[in-house]
Amino acid sequence: AQRVTQPEKLLSVFKGAPVELKCNYSYSGSPELFWYVQYSRQRLQLLLRHISRESIKGFTADLNKGETSFHLKKPFAQEEDSAMYYCAPPIMIKAAGNKLTFGGGTRVLVKP
Amino acid sequence: DTGVSQNPRHKITKRGQNVTFRCDPISEHNRLYWYRQTLGQGPEFLTYFQNEAQLEKSRLLSDRFSAERPKGSFSTLEIQRTEQGDSAMYLCASSLDRQGENIQYFGAGTRLSVL
Repeated sequence: AQRVTQPEKLLSVFKGAPVELKCNYSYSGSPELFWYVQYSRQRLQLLLRHISRESIKGFTADLNKGETSFHLKKPFAQEEDSAMYYCAPPIMIKAAGNKLTFGGGTRVLVKP
Repeated sequence: DTGVSQNPRHKITKRGQNVTFRCDPISEHNRLYWYRQTLGQGPEFLTYFQNEAQLEKSRLLSDRFSAERPKGSFSTLEIQRTEQGDSAMYLCASSLDRQGENIQYFGAGTRLSVL
């Protein structure tokens, strides 16, 4: 099935430690992926997208077509990074069964 | 607040009743999306509109669900004969269809509880 997968439900790291959130995709066509974040009591919002190749809040994500991955990384996690992170395909990509969906999400907890 | 607005924020209903949710997108956005999110899951796509045209519907959207965007501005999502399995957070998002851009801006959601 064509889908986006986030294998980790929870990542717990200490402040200042590196953090990497995994995202793998398995759909055909030109991949274009986004990372969305949801902080506590806030709405879902875009963090970054791969086509812009930018770093947002210290996070970067590299599209690896060979490994079909789009992992999100930050070298030094901060407590304010604690949130729910979702990897998402673009809405125009048709997945099997006509089901377009976000990854299941990874909760990041940064401990002091 | 110029972001995406959803009403109501919470809805409690009895099984078998009909409910309707409203979404007001960012004013210049021509695309509008509905998602459903259950506990511990990411948002699941339900449907989306380009202006007033409903262009895509997920198989998750059963016959009891209907969405409209009559004037290409606000949208409504109606669930008829609600079931307990419909309990979820219903999210609306909007975006501007522009070359190289498809950033979705989300509303705070409507939480539905079916008793």
